[in-house]
Amino acid sequence: RKEVEQDPGPFNVPEGATVAFNCTYSNSASQSFFWYRQDCRKEPKLLMSVYSSGNEDGRFTAQLNRASQYISLLIRDSKLSDSATYLCVVNIGSGGYQKVTFGTGTKLQVIP
Amino acid sequence: DAGVIQSPRHEVTEMGQEVTLRCKPISGHDYLFWYRQTMMRGLELLIYFNNNVPIDDSGMPEDRFSAKMPNASFSTLKIQPSEPRDSAVYFCASSARTGLSVGHNEQFFGPGTRLTVL
Repeated sequence: RKEVEQDPGPFNVPEGATVAFNCTYSNSASQSFFWYRQDCRKEPKLLMSVYSSGNEDGRFTAQLNRASQYISLLIRDSKLSDSATYLCVVNIGSGGYQKVTFGTGTKLQVIP
Repeated sequence: DAGVIQSPRHEVTEMGQEVTLRCKPISGHDYLFWYRQTMMRGLELLIYFNNNVPIDDSGMPEDRFSAKMPNASFSTLKIQPSEPRDSAVYFCASSARTGLSVGHNEQFFGPGTRLTVL
C-alpha cells in the first residue's frame, strides 16, 4: 500500500462548481499535512496547511480526519485558474528530522 | 527576493555520461531537499540536508546518485553514469525552521531541471 494515495483524476468540472479531493495516508504517526498546487510544467507551490480543526482560505477548505487517516480539499465556485494538479503532502517529523511524502496528485480541469 | 535557483533548466545527455544538477537555496533557509518527479512515480524525495548535513538519503535510488552540500548556499546532485530511466524532472526545495515543529515549514521549490538521458 502506498504511504499517500490520491485519485489521479482528471476531475473535469464546469466553472462555478464545487469539487472535493480526498487523500489517504497509511502511517498513523503522520504529524502534519499540506496541500500543494502544481501547474503544468511548473514547480509545486504550497496551497494551504491542514489543521486538525479544519481550516478555510477563501474558496478553499481543508479538513483532516485522523481516525480514518485522510485529508480533504474542497474548492467552491471553481475558476478556470484553479485548473492544476493538487498534491497531498504528509510529513512525519519531530525535532530536526522530517520524512516528507507527496501523493502523486489529483488533476483538476475547470471547463468554461 | 530570489527564490530557489536551479541549473541547468534542461539537460539532454547520453547514457553513461555524468550529470551534475545544481541548486542555490533561499538565503537563510537551513533545510534543502532534492526531489525527482516522473509521470509514473510522482514526486519522490531523494535526500534532504539540514545545516549542510545529509539527514536522510533513503530515497536515493542507487549508488549512481550522490548529493553534496559544501556550504549553505549551494548543493549538487550527481548521477554517474546516467541511464535512460533517470529521465525525469529534478526539483530542489528549501525551507526554514520557524520555531514551530519543523513539519509545518513551507517548502519553496525551484523551477526544476528537466533531464533527458538518451
